[in-house]
Amino acid sequence: SQKIEQNSEALNIQEGKTATLTCNYTNYSPAYLQWYRQDPGRGPVFLLLIRENEKEKRKERLKVTFDTTLKQSLFHITASQPADSATYLCAASEAAGNKLTFGGGTRVLVKP
Amino acid sequence: SQTIHQWPATLVQPVGSPLSLECTVEGTSNPNLYWYRQAAGRGLQLLFYSVGIGQISSEVPQNLSASRPQDRQFILSSKKLLLSDSGFYLCAWLGNYGYTFGSGTRLTVV
Repeated sequence: SQKIEQNSEALNIQEGKTATLTCNYTNYSPAYLQWYRQDPGRGPVFLLLIRENEKEKRKERLKVTFDTTLKQSLFHITASQPADSATYLCAASEAAGNKLTFGGGTRVLVKP
Repeated sequence: SQTIHQWPATLVQPVGSPLSLECTVEGTSNPNLYWYRQAAGRGLQLLFYSVGIGQISSEVPQNLSASRPQDRQFILSSKKLLLSDSGFYLCAWLGNYGYTFGSGTRLTVV
């Protein structure tokens, strides 16, 4: 079965810098990778989706890449702000409409 | 617009007691619905999903069950709770652009 791995260590970063998070999958290449933001005690909120045949996707200060050779997705937060502090979850699905397999998430702390 | 409601927000239940968590969706029809559980500091574990009324798929054998009595209603139940059932339970529906999650239920079994 698919396994999604994210760095469990918290990422501490200075305001204004770029935060880069890694998501690795171990099995087959998923058709879709999704990134979510989760604040403490809240449900995850969808951020971005990238398809297998897409190299890069952007949304405002967020950028996601998908490298099927490395079996990896990178999630970038540029010009980071303290409000970006949260846990970010990576998830994979085999096809549109399929159930998601989530990674354990990486906590990001942006210091002013 | 589509919204998802989940309740209660927090719940403390004794071991051996029953459980019923309800999730309802508004603004969409025939949604794919999901129940996830998140242990403290861990990722989300898929428990059940449903593609329609009365259709339930179980992902992990456990002390829980799910039902979908109506198109936009998804219920998570247990007849007798265990300590290991403690966690953060999330209901979700699948839209065109990713999942929309409910606000979650923090369940503590004591």
